[in-house]
Amino acid sequence: NAGVTQTPKFRILKIGQSMTLQCTQDMNHNYMYWYRQDPGMGLKLIYYSVGAGITDKGEVPNGYNVSRSTTEDFPLRLELAAPSQTSVYFCASSYSQIMNTEAFFGQGTRLTVV
Amino acid sequence: EDQVTQSPEALRLQEGESSSLNCSYTVSGLRGLFWYRQDPGKGPEFLFTLYSAGEEKEKERLKATLTKKESFLHITAPKPEDSATYLCAVQTFNDYKLSFGAGTTVTVRA
Repeated sequence: NAGVTQTPKFRILKIGQSMTLQCTQDMNHNYMYWYRQDPGMGLKLIYYSVGAGITDKGEVPNGYNVSRSTTEDFPLRLELAAPSQTSVYFCASSYSQIMNTEAFFGQGTRLTVV
Repeated sequence: EDQVTQSPEALRLQEGESSSLNCSYTVSGLRGLFWYRQDPGKGPEFLFTLYSAGEEKEKERLKATLTKKESFLHITAPKPEDSATYLCAVQTFNDYKLSFGAGTTVTVRA
């Protein structure tokens, strides 16, 4: 079982560049999430999706965009990268918000903006 | 605003030395409290969900308990492979989002 797969694992961006972090899951989960994790801080929710075609903002959405065209894929787009976006990004999915709400996480993407 | 505070930030244990991690929370309407384990360079891995005060769950050397204000993760006779960062998260009835604490990093020395 692949679970939640994120690519790339590492990336260095220059200020002002753009990139897309890829996330795909093979568990047929409706709910998908993007978090960022900074040293000494808890995971912060960037964006989430409750199903294909439906997305919404989390706690820290500024500077990011998402789309959900299929159940499996939930890419995160960074436009005009800034040093404040240096972080580790995790994609996660869960079956439901009511039952089986445990979230399964990908391995993370470590992004450095210089 | 939901708040989740974990203590201590770091815990160094000798192999076999039992201890507890604390997760205190301030939320309106707790749906569930989650414990995750995170190894360096990896994503969090689900351990437990607790739904009501008094509930306990166990897995190998780990036991999680829940009160109305906090949760404890007890590690009994830890082994070096229990070394990891343990994350606590809460979910409320208002929405399904998880609010995470900053984690406790546990190091177990042989």
